[in-house]
Amino acid sequence: QVQLVESGGGVVQPGRSLRLSCAAAGFTFSTYGLHWVRQAPGKGLEWVALISYDGSSKYYADSVKGRFSISRDSSKNTLYLQMNSLRPEDTAVYYCARPLGNLLLFLLDQWGQGTLVTVSS
Amino acid sequence: EIVMTQSPASLSASPGERATLSCRASQSVSSNLAWYQQKPGQAPRLLIYGASTRATGIPARFSGSGSGTEFTLTISSLQSEDFAVYYCQQYKNWPPVTFGQGTRLEIK
Repeated sequence: QVQLVESGGGVVQPGRSLRLSCAAAGFTFSTYGLHWVRQAPGKGLEWVALISYDGSSKYYADSVKGRFSISRDSSKNTLYLQMNSLRPEDTAVYYCARPLGNLLLFLLDQWGQGTLVTVSS
Repeated sequence: EIVMTQSPASLSASPGERATLSCRASQSVSSNLAWYQQKPGQAPRLLIYGASTRATGIPARFSGSGSGTEFTLTISSLQSEDFAVYYCQQYKNWPPVTFGQGTRLEIK
């Protein structure tokens, strides 16, 4: 079955960096676009970033554009989110998510368990 | 950016009752509307897409309707496992896709 396992979260000071990872299994990694979605404590869902199946296209929410970078390594079946210049408002659980398919790119039917990032001094 | 607004913010209902949740888009999204369910401490779960198509494994008591700017999620007979937070999501105009703020469905 499909598995997405995030890691790399933790407590970080404002202005510092953190890299999240999402290890994927149970599907052909190189054929799916992948997303990061976050959820601040007690709040709703916010889409963060999308990378195409081959890594050639990347899209970001305005709130993270220029600070966050999404990437993937098909040799390791792993998705990444490099987060720089972190702000307190970036505090959230970060989920990686896989869509139904590349024609249904934003229908997120497989999710990881999430990793908590806390930005605080 | 399309703004999604859900109502009510919170809804109390009893098992066996019918629940109706609403979602409004700030501009037409045609039928590019999905619903997700999220239970405490869990990741969201895709319920409905294309405004009315149930995702794999979703019980028939969940149904979606609407198009354009007005959408409804109906749970025909509430089961104990249905008490959760529900989010709508538009995916017509992206990036970004946008979610509503959620409706919390609580046991009365």
